[in-house]
Amino acid sequence: NAGVTQTPKFRVLKTGQSMTLLCAQDMNHEYMYWYRQDPGMGLRLIHYSVGEGTTAKGEVPDGYNVSRLKKQNFLLGLESAAPSQTSVYFCASSPSGTYGYTFGSGTRLTVV
Amino acid sequence: RKEVEQDPGPFNVPEGATVAFNCTYSNSASQSFFWYRQDCRKEPKLLMSVYSSGNEDGRFTAQLNRASQYISLLIRDSKLSDSATYLCVVNKGTGGSYIPTFGRGTSLIVHP
Repeated sequence: NAGVTQTPKFRVLKTGQSMTLLCAQDMNHEYMYWYRQDPGMGLRLIHYSVGEGTTAKGEVPDGYNVSRLKKQNFLLGLESAAPSQTSVYFCASSPSGTYGYTFGSGTRLTVV
Repeated sequence: RKEVEQDPGPFNVPEGATVAFNCTYSNSASQSFFWYRQDCRKEPKLLMSVYSSGNEDGRFTAQLNRASQYISLLIRDSKLSDSATYLCVVNKGTGGSYIPTFGRGTSLIVHP
């Protein structure tokens, strides 16, 4: 039982490049979330999804897009990376949103 | 006022000590509450849910005070392995969706 798997684990991008972060869960959870964590800022919600085919904006959505074409996958895209997007990105999932959240191990992204 | 506030610490305590953290939240409509633990450069992991009647799990006790809008975590007989950052999570329903908001965390250092 893998839980929540994030790929890649590390990435260095040049300013202006694009990339997609993949989050996959095998627990049949409805809710999925993308967070970024920066020193002193805590976890901030980027986008979330309450089910297959749905997405919604969180606290800091600018510069990111998401898609949830399959229930088990939640993709986070950066169309034109900026140094301000250097961060650790965590994906999380939950059965219904009122239960606890299971996190992936994170993606460390550096934009130079 | 931030939605979820925690004292960042660090709390520096000797082994065997009892330590307590508080977390305040601003939205009275918040519905579920959790404590998470995060080790350095790792993902957050669920420590315990917080119920209105209070709940205990071994050396850990969590309590909720809805009137004053805070939750607390008490750790008894601290171990070196308890050293970590403790995140308070408050969940509110918004238009049928449940969105968790994380506090910035309280750092605990347990020393010999």
